[in-house]
Amino acid sequence: AQKITQTQPGMFVQEKEAVTLDCTYDTSDPSYGLFWYKQPSSGEMIFLIYQGSYDQQNATEGRYSLNFQKARKSANLVISASQLGDSAMYFCAMRISNQAGTALIFGKGTTLSVSS
Amino acid sequence: DAGVIQSPRHEVTEMGQEVTLRCKPISGHNSLFWYRQTMMRGLELLIYFNNNVPIDDSGMPEDRFSAKMPNASFSTLKIQPSEPRDSAVYFCASRRSRASGQDEQYFGPGTRLTVT
Repeated sequence: AQKITQTQPGMFVQEKEAVTLDCTYDTSDPSYGLFWYKQPSSGEMIFLIYQGSYDQQNATEGRYSLNFQKARKSANLVISASQLGDSAMYFCAMRISNQAGTALIFGKGTTLSVSS
Repeated sequence: DAGVIQSPRHEVTEMGQEVTLRCKPISGHNSLFWYRQTMMRGLELLIYFNNNVPIDDSGMPEDRFSAKMPNASFSTLKIQPSEPRDSAVYFCASRRSRASGQDEQYFGPGTRLTVT
C-alpha cells in the first residue's frame, strides 16, 4: 500500500534554529516524487520543495532542504534559521501512480511553532 | 499569473440545500484536483481530471457529490443535498505535467463550507 507518515503532530523551535520535520513513505513503485507543502493559519497550501526518486542529490530551495534517504524511505524537511513566519502546518506528500493516472497522497501534517 | 481561483471563499448553507463550488485553474495546466480538508481526516483527494476528463473519482464520498470540468479553465464540485458532515475546506489544485517529473500542484485558497 502507498502511504505517507508524519509522526510529529507538533514541533517547537526557537527563532534562528534549524528544525527537521519527519516524513516516511511506503511505495513499491520505483518512480515516485515527494513534495512538501506549508499551510499557514490563513489556510492556503504553499508548495515548498520537490524530490524525485531518481534524483542523486538532496533537493534544496533557499532555507528548505530535503534529507532524502531512499533506503530508509524517509524524506525529512530541514528548515534552517527558523523565522517567526515559518509557524504553520507542514504536509509531506507523495505522487502515486495507478492505472488511472497520477495524484498526490498527503500525510497528516506537522504543526511547527517558532518562538522568539 | 493569478493562481488558482476558487469561489466562493466561504459558504454557509442549510442541510438539504445544493452547494456548488467553482474553480479556475492556472492557465496552461492540464490537470485539476479537488480535495477536502477536515481536522479528523486531513487532506483527502476527491477527484481529479486530466485534460478535462475525470480520471479517478474513487475519493468522492457519495453520490451526493459530483464534479464537472466542461473546459480547460473551469470546474465545479456540487453537493446535492448537502449534510452537516460535508462541512470542510474544499481545495482545488492544478498541475502542469512535466517530463522531469517535478509536477507540483498549485492550490487555490479554498472554500470553507459550513452546512448547518
